[in-house]
Amino acid sequence: AQSVTQPDIHITVSEGASLELRCNYSYGATPYLFWYVQSPGQGLQLLLKYFSGDTLVQGIKGFEAEFKRSQSSFNLRKPSVHWSDAAEYFCAVVTGGGNKLTFGTGTQLKVEL
Amino acid sequence: ETGVTQTPRHLVMGMTNKKSLKCEQHLGHNAMYWYKQSAKKPLELMFVYNFKEQTENNSVPSRFSPECPNSSHLFLHLHTLQPEDSALYLCASSHFPPSGGAYEQFFGPGTRLTVL
Repeated sequence: AQSVTQPDIHITVSEGASLELRCNYSYGATPYLFWYVQSPGQGLQLLLKYFSGDTLVQGIKGFEAEFKRSQSSFNLRKPSVHWSDAAEYFCAVVTGGGNKLTFGTGTQLKVEL
Repeated sequence: ETGVTQTPRHLVMGMTNKKSLKCEQHLGHNAMYWYKQSAKKPLELMFVYNFKEQTENNSVPSRFSPECPNSSHLFLHLHTLQPEDSALYLCASSHFPPSGGAYEQFFGPGTRLTVL
């Protein structure tokens, strides 16, 4: 079955430092992958997506992610983190014929000033 | 209104109450979803509606009853809930069928439900 693993439950970085959040997927075909962000008490906001083409995708808020088929990974990166980036981040993959998303368990990001 | 809206944002109910959650999308989508988000657990898909027809019921207890009168509105009717049903309930919408890579779902802010 298709699945998504986010191995880091919590990550703490200093403001201005670089960030990488890990995501590994298990899927037989070419996956359609997403990163979402959730601020406290809010819904999920789409940061970026990958479905084909260039394996380095740019998203909103200065985030990017790189699809690596050989490693079954889709890691999220940001060169310089801002305090407002503190939130929970979810990786997701399309499953079930294109109408369902399977989410990872999320990574809680804390930013130290 | 833009995007996906949900009302109410917060709801406290007793186990014998009946209440409903409402979701409305202003994106021209024709698929809508209910998710449950509990602490320490992955996001759980509850129901999927495509063109107003339910296509997925992910083994959800019958005390949760969805209704989709049209492609823009989705309800979740609640009755005789249990304390373990306390969670954030998220509504989402998307294009269906997806094409050109448009598989992403757009989420509302959620309803924080507390069952006493």
